[in-house]
Amino acid sequence: AQSVTQPDIHITVSEGASLELRCNYSYGATPYLFWYVQSPGQGLQLLLKYFSGDTLVQGIKGFEAEFKRSQSSFNLRKPSVHWSDAAEYFCAVGVSNTGKLIFGQGTTLQVKP
Amino acid sequence: EAGVAQSPRYKIIEKRQSVAFWCNPISGHATLYWYQQILGQGPKLLIQFQNNGVVDDSQLPKDRFSAERLKGVDSTLKIQPAKLEDSAVYLCASSLGGQGTDTQYFGPGTRLTVL
Repeated sequence: AQSVTQPDIHITVSEGASLELRCNYSYGATPYLFWYVQSPGQGLQLLLKYFSGDTLVQGIKGFEAEFKRSQSSFNLRKPSVHWSDAAEYFCAVGVSNTGKLIFGQGTTLQVKP
Repeated sequence: EAGVAQSPRYKIIEKRQSVAFWCNPISGHATLYWYQQILGQGPKLLIQFQNNGVVDDSQLPKDRFSAERLKGVDSTLKIQPAKLEDSAVYLCASSLGGQGTDTQYFGPGTRLTVL
């Protein structure tokens, strides 16, 4: 069955520190992978996506993610976190023939001053 | 370009009452999705429309939930009667097509509280 796991429910980092949010997926075919961010009271905003090609993808707001097929992972990274990055982050896999998104349970990021 | 619009933004009802949510997708987007997001969880797809036809409603509790997309544009999601466990944020999203490579754009959501 298709699924997405985000092992870390809550992460706290200091402003200016680096960040890595973990995502593991289970999907039989080539996965279409997405990272979304959700700020309080807001809808989901797409950060980046991976379909094929270069396994390191760049997104908005200085985020990047690396697809590792051997580890079934698609971890999100940022070299230097800003206070405005505090939000909830969701990893998702897109079902190829319908477009349905299967989401992980999310990781809440807190940024310390 | 206008984004996905949803209304109302907040709704409080008592159990066994009915409620309806409205969604207006991005102009030209053929595919529309309704997701339910329970506190502390990721969104879960309830129903997917391609134009005005249903593509996937396998996770829609059809005994109490219904949805329609007349004329292939706006959509409404209805709950009747509501239960306590229906308290959640209901997100509407749209995309140009209905493939896994299509980016979905989300509205701000409707937060439903059932008392």
